Order: sequence, then structure tokens, then C-alpha cells
Amino acid sequence: AQSVSQHNHHVILSEAASLELGCNYSYGGTVNLFWYVQYPGQHLQLLLKYFSGDPLVKGIKGFEAEFIKSKFSFNLRKPSVQWSDTAEYFCAVTPYNNNDMRFGAGTRLTVKP
Amino acid sequence: DVKVTQSSRYLVKRTGEKVFLECVQDMDHENMFWYRQDPGLGLRLIYFSYDVKMKEKGDIPEGYSVSREKKERFSLILESASTNQTSMYLCASSSGTGWGEQFFGPGTRLTVL
Repeated sequence: AQSVSQHNHHVILSEAASLELGCNYSYGGTVNLFWYVQYPGQHLQLLLKYFSGDPLVKGIKGFEAEFIKSKFSFNLRKPSVQWSDTAEYFCAVTPYNNNDMRFGAGTRLTVKP
Repeated sequence: DVKVTQSSRYLVKRTGEKVFLECVQDMDHENMFWYRQDPGLGLRLIYFSYDVKMKEKGDIPEGYSVSREKKERFSLILESASTNQTSMYLCASSSGTGWGEQFFGPGTRLTVL
């Protein structure tokens, strides 16, 4: 069965620091990749997604992610975080044209003002 | 905007009670999902449905059942609630093909005493 690993459970950064959150998956075929964000007290919402094409994907609020097929990775990045980025971030993967979306355990990001 | 609503934000039930969690989406989506979210475990798929009256088991269906009598509504049923079913329950929906973005409801935090 496919699985999704997020390497960091809790990341604490100061404002303006750069962010990289790791995500690896174990499925060998073509995949669709997602990052979701859950702000405190709010519902999960899509940050960005990759289906095909340019492996560097840009999302909302200055986030981007890079798909590296050879490493089965889809890491999330932001050059300069803000206090408002404090949230929990989830990586998710579906095999192409398949119902089976799997989520990682999530990474809690705390940004200190 | 896509809207997924869940019947309750907070629910407290007693062990052995039958519990109904309701989810409604207003975007005519074919696919609907129920997840539970637990700290350190991310989102785990309980059941999903890709059409009215259709259902598929996810990773952790034991102790749960579902009902989808209408396209817009997907119900999660705990036949006999137990304390280990205390969790946050999330409903999501997505359009029919490609298994793209899932849209999430606000969640129901269920406590079983």
C-alpha cells in the first residue's frame, strides 16, 4: 500500500526565515500530489497541487513545491515565512486516476513574531 | 465557492450510542469522503463514495458505516460508539474524474464518554 511520510512533526521558525517541509511517498507509478494547510480553527484548504508538467509548482501565499520523481519527493518551500503561516501542513498523494488519496501525518509549523 | 457543511462542530456521546454525522456539499460533486484526523496520524480514510448508493471502504472502516441516498449528502454512522472513536471527523468532496482537489468541511469533533 502506498504511504506518505512527512519528516518533521513540529517546526518552529522566526519570521522571515526560510521554510522547507519534506514529503516522500512510496507509490511507484504516476501520481497526483497535493499540499493542504489547516490554520488554527479553520478547515483544510488546498495550498498547491501537481498533476503534470513543470515540476516546480507555485501555490497561494508565496508557497511553492518541487516534485522530484527520482526521489519520490514533493517538498514544500517558502522563502520568508510570516506569523500568519502558523498552521498544520499536510502532504497528500493519489495514484493517477485513482480514488485512493493518502495523507501524511502532518507538520505543525509555528512562526514566532 | 464550493461549500461542504457538517451537521455539528462538536458532539458528545456516550459509549454504546448510535451516532450520525451528516455532510452536505453544494457543488454537485460525485465523490465524497469521510476521514478521521488524529494528532500524529494525519487523516485516515474511513469510507468514500463515488456515486449515489455506492460506497467503498477506506483504511479504517471497522466500527463505521455510511449512507449516500442523495448525491449531495453523505452520512457517517457509528453503530455503537466507543471511546476509541473520539476524534475529529472530516468530510470532503471532489468532482468525478481525475481525483483532483478535495474540498473539506469544517470537521466534527466527537467525544465519546
